[in-house]
Amino acid sequence: GENVEQHPSTLSVQEGDSAVIKCTYSDSASNYFPWYKQELGKRPQLIIDIRSNVGEKKDQRIAVTLNKTAKHFSLHITETQPEDSAVYFCAAIISSGSARQLTFGSGTQLTVLP
Amino acid sequence: NAGVTQTPKFQVLKTGQSMTLQCAQDMNHEYMSWYRQDPGMGLRLIHYSVGAGITDQGEVPNGYNVSRSTTEDFPLRLLSAAPSQTSVYFCASNDRGNTEAFFGQGTRLTVV
Repeated sequence: GENVEQHPSTLSVQEGDSAVIKCTYSDSASNYFPWYKQELGKRPQLIIDIRSNVGEKKDQRIAVTLNKTAKHFSLHITETQPEDSAVYFCAAIISSGSARQLTFGSGTQLTVLP
Repeated sequence: NAGVTQTPKFQVLKTGQSMTLQCAQDMNHEYMSWYRQDPGMGLRLIHYSVGAGITDQGEVPNGYNVSRSTTEDFPLRLLSAAPSQTSVYFCASNDRGNTEAFFGQGTRLTVV
């Protein structure tokens, strides 16, 4: 099955700096790559996603890039703010017939220091 | 719409007890899943369902059962609780296409 690796596991940045989180996936059949943010004690929520026919997608301070050849994708957060502090999960979907399985990375704890 | 609703939010069990975590969604989503979240291990898939009457195992299915008698409900049963099942459990649902997965608020389970 699909395997998603995520790095780093923890990341501290100064407020206003950029943060980058990287993920790799193993199965070339994966074609949808969402990113979830989980604040302390809350449920994961989708913040951005990218499909395999797109190389980059941006939404205000957040951007995601995808390199299908290398099977890796990254989350970029610019001008970080204290409210960006959370755990971020990347994920990949492998489609097998009618089955859909969302495989998550192990998560990155981002801390934005004031 | 309430989205995905999980009950209970917190539960303490003794080793060997059984219980059912409830999950309901009102978005008419075909796909529903159960994950467990442990520190440093992300979200691991326990069981999933692609429609009423259809379920399948995920990455860590041992010790858990599921059923999907209706589109709305997807309960997770712990047959004989073990301390290794201490975790936070999330139910999620999404539609057929490559679309957003919506999560419930989670159940924090402690097995003593």
